[in-house]
Amino acid sequence: DAGVIQSPRHEVTEMGQEVTLRCKPISGHNSLFWYRQTMMRGLELLIYFNNNVPIDDSGMPEDRFSAKMPNASFSTLKIQPSEPRDSAVYFCASSSRGTNTGELFFGEGSRLTVL
Amino acid sequence: SQKIEQNSEALNIQEGKTATLTCNYTNYSPAYLQWYRQDPGRGPVFLLLIRENEKEKRKERLKVTFDTTLKQSLFHITASQPADSATYLCALVKYSSASKIIFGSGTRLSIRP
Repeated sequence: DAGVIQSPRHEVTEMGQEVTLRCKPISGHNSLFWYRQTMMRGLELLIYFNNNVPIDDSGMPEDRFSAKMPNASFSTLKIQPSEPRDSAVYFCASSSRGTNTGELFFGEGSRLTVL
Repeated sequence: SQKIEQNSEALNIQEGKTATLTCNYTNYSPAYLQWYRQDPGRGPVFLLLIRENEKEKRKERLKVTFDTTLKQSLFHITASQPADSATYLCALVKYSSASKIIFGSGTRLSIRP
């Protein structure tokens, strides 16, 4: 398996633009997580899905952020409009709840810079 | 509010020594605790898990302890090597099949030759 695949790896955009980050989880995994990592705040959980259903989105900063999981093999995180303070690395991770460890498998991240 | 603290932002030790990293938490009752390693520019990678009813878990040169009374986990790397240099993150999981996983801020470990 190729692991969790995220795109784009790098995105530079201007304030006010819409940003869409994409994630393909590992096949067969039934949980998907979106995290944001910054030097100041570390790795913050934004939202997670179980069986394509959003379970907890209390970490989503504000209404400018939205996430969808239309099927088991694809998820998007959208920021509209983007602001400079949204600059961070966004990670997607997937997990199989049937394992003993519940370990998360992370993608390589999408580094977002909002000018 | 829930809080997870890792002992220090950075730890610098001599090769061959044992590195000990600390993870403390408050206002939380995790069912288990995970440790991850993160290299620069990469996503975190799972290392070990320890459950609330386990005191200690070992894997090769790694050892993790979990004290639910102190609300603390210790992560040890014995016979440390420069290749162990990375950021190490602890993560807490509630006892639920649909539970969130929250992370500490990480400790950057540097092993000097």
